[in-house]
Amino acid sequence: EVQLLESGGGLVQPGESLRLSCGASGFTYSSYAMSWVRQAPGKGLEWVSVISGSGGGASYADSVKGRFTISRDNSKKMLYLQMNSLRAEDTAVYYCAKGMWSRKNFDSWGQGTLVTVSS
Amino acid sequence: EIVLTQSPGTLSLSPGEGATLSCRASQSVSSSYLAWYQQKPGQAPRLLIYDASSRATGIPDRFSGSGSGTDFTLTISRLEPEDFAVYYCQHYGSLYTFGQGTKLEIK
Repeated sequence: EVQLLESGGGLVQPGESLRLSCGASGFTYSSYAMSWVRQAPGKGLEWVSVISGSGGGASYADSVKGRFTISRDNSKKMLYLQMNSLRAEDTAVYYCAKGMWSRKNFDSWGQGTLVTVSS
Repeated sequence: EIVLTQSPGTLSLSPGEGATLSCRASQSVSSSYLAWYQQKPGQAPRLLIYDASSRATGIPDRFSGSGSGTDFTLTISRLEPEDFAVYYCQHYGSLYTFGQGTKLEIK
C-alpha cells in the first residue's frame, strides 16, 4: 500500500523560510515523479512543483518560482520542499502527491501539512 | 497557459439521481492528460478518472468520464451518500493545471 506522510508545516512570519518533508513507502520510490500541490483555506487545488524520479529535473509554478526548491533523497524515500521568502498567500495545506506511471496525474496523496504565514 | 473551467460551481442533487459535471479547457487538450479527482472535507484528493475516461483502481463503475478536445464530462450515475464532495478536473500541458472545482451537495 502506498503511503505518503508530510511533515514540517507550521506558523511562520512573512519573509521567513520553512522546509517540508514527505516520507514515502509502499512503492519503488525512485521510479516515480513526485509533486507538491497546495490548497489555500477554502480554496481549490494549486500545483506547486514536480521532480522527476531521478531528481534530475524539476518544474515550478510561476507563483513560487525562485522562492521554492523541490528535492528528493531516493535512498531515504523522502521528498522535500524548501520554501523561502514566504508570503501570506503561501498559506495553505501542502500535499505531496505521487505521479502516476507514464501519466501526468497524481494517483496517491499524503494527508497534507498546514503552512500558515502570518505576522 | 491552459485554463480549465468547471461547471456548475455547485450542484444540488438527491441520492439515487445522476450527476453530470463539466470541465472546459481554454484550448484543445490531449485526453491522455485529463483527470478527475474527488475531495471530501478534511481529506486529501483521490484520483477517480485518468486519460479522460479510465477509472482509477478501486473506483466504482458508477463513475465515468468522457470527452475530448475542449469539453470533458464526469458522470456519476445513481448518487450514493458518500459521493457528495468537491470534484476537480486536472490537465497537464507544459505544467499542471486544476479546474476551480464543482461542489456536489445533497439537495
